[in-house]
Amino acid sequence: ETGVTQTPRHLVMGMTNKKSLKCEQHLGHNAMYWYKQSAKKPLELMFVYSLEERVENNSVPSRFSPECPNSSHLFLHLHTLQPEDSALYLCASSPNTEHSNQPQHFGDGTRLSIL
Amino acid sequence: GQNIDQPTEMTATEGAIVQINCTYQTSGFNGLFWYQQHAGEAPTFLSYNVLDGLEEKGRFSSFLSRSKGYSYLLLKELQMKDSASYLCAALDSNYQLIWGAGTKLIIKP
Repeated sequence: ETGVTQTPRHLVMGMTNKKSLKCEQHLGHNAMYWYKQSAKKPLELMFVYSLEERVENNSVPSRFSPECPNSSHLFLHLHTLQPEDSALYLCASSPNTEHSNQPQHFGDGTRLSIL
Repeated sequence: GQNIDQPTEMTATEGAIVQINCTYQTSGFNGLFWYQQHAGEAPTFLSYNVLDGLEEKGRFSSFLSRSKGYSYLLLKELQMKDSASYLCAALDSNYQLIWGAGTKLIIKP
């Protein structure tokens, strides 16, 4: 399934670098999500956007900054990251967020390594 | 607090049957999802249960007992390509997804 596309697939960066992760969905969905996936841990929801408006920010450090310019695109801007931020970052989309039991559709993720 | 428990890892033999269990404790309940995630790939939707009982989809079936806070995913006629992690996630009263850590399933010939 190529409904949700994430770039880059792999990213290695130093703690002082600034980089951005990109996500694009071609499913006509109204909601988009950023998750962090660490080994042997549950998915951690970071941010939720509904119709380009941020509706949830789960106490994520300010070194992660999301941007949603339209309902098809989502970015995660990274700066001054820490080694513990190394993880797989997954983007997902769903038809909507309100009282919804519709499944989320995920991208393949960006494997981020902080040196 | 809200919590999902599932085994960390399971091993099964090609052609056999395996059952992956998931127990949940949530504030309210609006259904339970199962996703499959191959290494380095996206989680993909397998099933959604909100009513008690068994739902079958080909070789995969999912069961739910709301009174017991329990679900399982049943995989029949296992194939090597079924080697993956299986993620259980419950929807709470606010329609927030509570995720388990996933069960890594290893299929041996």
